[in-house]
Amino acid sequence: EIQLQQSGPELVKPGASVKVSCKASGYSFTDYNMYWVKQSHGKSLEWIGYIDPYNGGTSYNQKFKGKATLTVDKSSSTAFMHLNSLTSEDSAVYYCARDTKRYFDVWGAGTTVTVSS
Amino acid sequence: NIMMTQSPSSLAVSAGEKVTMSCKSSQSVLYSSNQKNYLAWYQQKPGQSPKLLIYWASTRESGVPDRFTGSGSGTDFTLTISSVQAEDLAVYYCHQYLSSHTFGGGTKLEIK
Repeated sequence: EIQLQQSGPELVKPGASVKVSCKASGYSFTDYNMYWVKQSHGKSLEWIGYIDPYNGGTSYNQKFKGKATLTVDKSSSTAFMHLNSLTSEDSAVYYCARDTKRYFDVWGAGTTVTVSS
Repeated sequence: NIMMTQSPSSLAVSAGEKVTMSCKSSQSVLYSSNQKNYLAWYQQKPGQSPKLLIYWASTRESGVPDRFTGSGSGTDFTLTISSVQAEDLAVYYCHQYLSSHTFGGGTKLEIK
């Protein structure tokens, strides 16, 4: 079974950073780009960026450049998203999603990041 | 950027009824070279992540019940649920993937 297992909820202080993980299983990790998607409370979906696990190449939504950094560890089939200088606007659920090079066919369960002092 | 507009924002129906919801794009998502519409639909149940229902505007993902049908072309698309079940309670999102990625605002389906 193809699965994306995400790390648990995070409560972080304003100005801090956080690293969210997404462990892939059930398929060849390097064959599919991994996207990250933000869903603010009760709102729609925004793509943050994606990473090609094969070569580590990345592309970011202009809105999230400087905010998010995507990396992978091929040895553990895990993708990571680092978010820095967190504010209340970054409080959201963050999903990883497998990219078929078109639509997103498998999604992680989501990681809730809460920014609060 | 291609903008996606969904309507209605919410609707309530009784089990067994037929439901249609709309998604309109600000530019055509039909790619002329292959005549494919770069449009997907997702279902997000309460407390869950989005689940792929439909891609290429009308191709049902494996395992998706045939009561879900996607249709449309160019800028106007529809998701139809032929006979709504209680488990269809969810928010439905459209997604264009022709030019980068944008999602609609969602249609919330409630069961009376």
